[in-house]
Amino acid sequence: QKEVEQDPGPLSVPEGAIVSLNCTYSNSAFQYFMWYRQYSRKGPELLMYTYSSGNKEDGRFTAQVDKSSKYISLFIRDSQPSDSATYLCATGKTSYDKVIFGPGTSLSVIP
Amino acid sequence: DAGVIQSPRHEVTEMGQEVTLRCKPISGHNSLFWYRQTMMRGLELLIYFNNNVPIDDSGMPEDRFSAKMPNASFSTLKIQPSEPRDSAVYFCASSPREVLGRNEQFFGPGTRLTVL
Repeated sequence: QKEVEQDPGPLSVPEGAIVSLNCTYSNSAFQYFMWYRQYSRKGPELLMYTYSSGNKEDGRFTAQVDKSSKYISLFIRDSQPSDSATYLCATGKTSYDKVIFGPGTSLSVIP
Repeated sequence: DAGVIQSPRHEVTEMGQEVTLRCKPISGHNSLFWYRQTMMRGLELLIYFNNNVPIDDSGMPEDRFSAKMPNASFSTLKIQPSEPRDSAVYFCASSPREVLGRNEQFFGPGTRLTVL
């Protein structure tokens, strides 16, 4: 079993839709949870960062962590064509060592 | 700030040749990571350094792969001899490694390696 699993998609939605992206992880020792966004032919960039369980909101983006079920979610409201990218969830035990990345979900937002 | 710098951006080589990928991390960052990304396997951590010291190289696939960080501003990933299955995008990332900080990893633009 991989440490972090994610539906690879691709996911295609119309502009303005609410997008839900999800990951599961296997190690209960993971405490830090991140979402990275990767545009085509670019390196990943950090989008959201959360510690332990709960929600975090940043503009149109909301990250949700449920440690009891080892489930991570990213919600995008009012999706835009510029949100078209691959979204990778990532997690780690501490804030300053290696993180484990999921395989990524490819998202296309159609105008 | 120039961000993480990687060179070359593209490399095409023949099987059996030596390949050297280079990375300059963001000044002041104490951690450096080498990743490989393919469609089949996603983003895989190969090795990471803290304060120029290799901490975890369990992701290095074979002895053909080696990485060095001779100083805080430079790292190399070498593949010798290269094989077609090494074809991938190789990313370098750096992080400030602050105990109480969020320690975002900043990725470089990647090196797209093709081994014929």
